[in-house]
Amino acid sequence: DVKVTQSSRYLVKRTGEKVFLECVQDMDHENMFWYRQDPGLGLRLIYFSYDVKMKEKGDIPEGYSVSREKKERFSLILESASTNQTSMYLCASSSWTSGGTDTQYFGPGTRLTVL
Amino acid sequence: TQLLEQSPQFLSIQEGENLTVYCNSSSVFSSLQWYRQEPGEGPVLLVTVVTGGEVKKLKRLTFQFGDARKDSSLHITAAQTGDTGLYLCAGFPSGTYKYIFGTGTRLKVLA
Repeated sequence: DVKVTQSSRYLVKRTGEKVFLECVQDMDHENMFWYRQDPGLGLRLIYFSYDVKMKEKGDIPEGYSVSREKKERFSLILESASTNQTSMYLCASSSWTSGGTDTQYFGPGTRLTVL
Repeated sequence: TQLLEQSPQFLSIQEGENLTVYCNSSSVFSSLQWYRQEPGEGPVLLVTVVTGGEVKKLKRLTFQFGDARKDSSLHITAAQTGDTGLYLCAGFPSGTYKYIFGTGTRLKVLA
């Protein structure tokens, strides 16, 4: 079974702090994703990566950066946390399959509160 | 903008009732996937539908992909409290590499 783990389930930070959210997958997947999920707004893609050291902006990258130094690890960084970044953060991984289908495997999420 | 609209947005029903959730788009999809997300957890894949008109069954859940591959439905027979959660459809619009998620249907099944 694919396992995606996230470093924290719950996190409370203060405005202006630098925040690191870590995600690790154990299935050698090429693709990794960071989403945030907010009531009424659904899942919104922040950043994704199709390979080591490669990153692409998603729909809402402002205020975030990412790092992928190893295939299994994808980190999301909030350089200076703000209250509007309070949210549930979900990491996912996937692998290209023939036929164009793609299953995303999600971690349990990190509920971040910025005070 | 390619969107996957789900309806209804919220659904609250009694245990034992049947229900249908819809996922619609103006775009054609090479495949569609359905996920369920329980409170405090990440979404988990339920099924992938690939062929237009395809019907897949997963116990009491029946998934259908529209003939034109622009829509899908999820029917639950005799709902149970364990079916409570957020249901999401998702997929790649044909000709794109952007995986998109539907707006979600939040289901609550009452005992």
